[in-house]
Amino acid sequence: SQTIHQWPATLVQPVGSPLSLECTVEGTSNPNLYWYRQAAGRGLQLLFYSVGIGQISSEVPQNLSASRPQDRQFILSSKKLLLSDSGFYLCAARDSLNQPQHFGDGTRLSIL
Amino acid sequence: KQEVTQIPAALSVPEGENLVLNCSFTDSAIYNLQWFRQDPGKGLTSLLLIQSSQREQTSGRLNASLDKSSGRSTLYIAASQPGDSATYLCAFENNAGNNRKLIWGLGTSLAVNP
Repeated sequence: SQTIHQWPATLVQPVGSPLSLECTVEGTSNPNLYWYRQAAGRGLQLLFYSVGIGQISSEVPQNLSASRPQDRQFILSSKKLLLSDSGFYLCAARDSLNQPQHFGDGTRLSIL
Repeated sequence: KQEVTQIPAALSVPEGENLVLNCSFTDSAIYNLQWFRQDPGKGLTSLLLIQSSQREQTSGRLNASLDKSSGRSTLYIAASQPGDSATYLCAFENNAGNNRKLIWGLGTSLAVNP
């Protein structure tokens, strides 16, 4: 079965600093990968998804970007963080469109 | 606009009760309906996935139903236990070809008291 690893678990960053969150997947190959943000009082917001290496689709315009340098590696980045980037970031993966998504334990990002 | 509404937002019950969580959605052309569980500060765990052609799915003490015509799904939890305490999220996957994605509700926060 799939295992989704995310790190770090918590992160405190100043406004304007860069960001790099990493997600790696075990137990599958060529998965669909997803980055979500969960803010207090709001549902999960899909940020990016990827169907293969180097293929990234962006759902919401923002100062974040994503990359997939390897089949089971998905990275969320920013050059300059905003206060509004605070939230709980979740990485998810699934084998095919007929399967449920499996989630990592998330990264709690606080911007000061 | 595609939306998912979950009622109630919070629920507190004594151990042993059978309970029902409700989910309503605006798009009848869904691909599937999914229920997840989220423990505090953790990621989500998939509980049940109901394909659009199905009416219900069961896993242990959990049963989820789907009524596309009315835009509703329910999650039934039998003989609730304190370990069932968590937030339960409902999401439907839209039927948008290669641009399919999950549309999420805000969840129902469940507390089962011993």
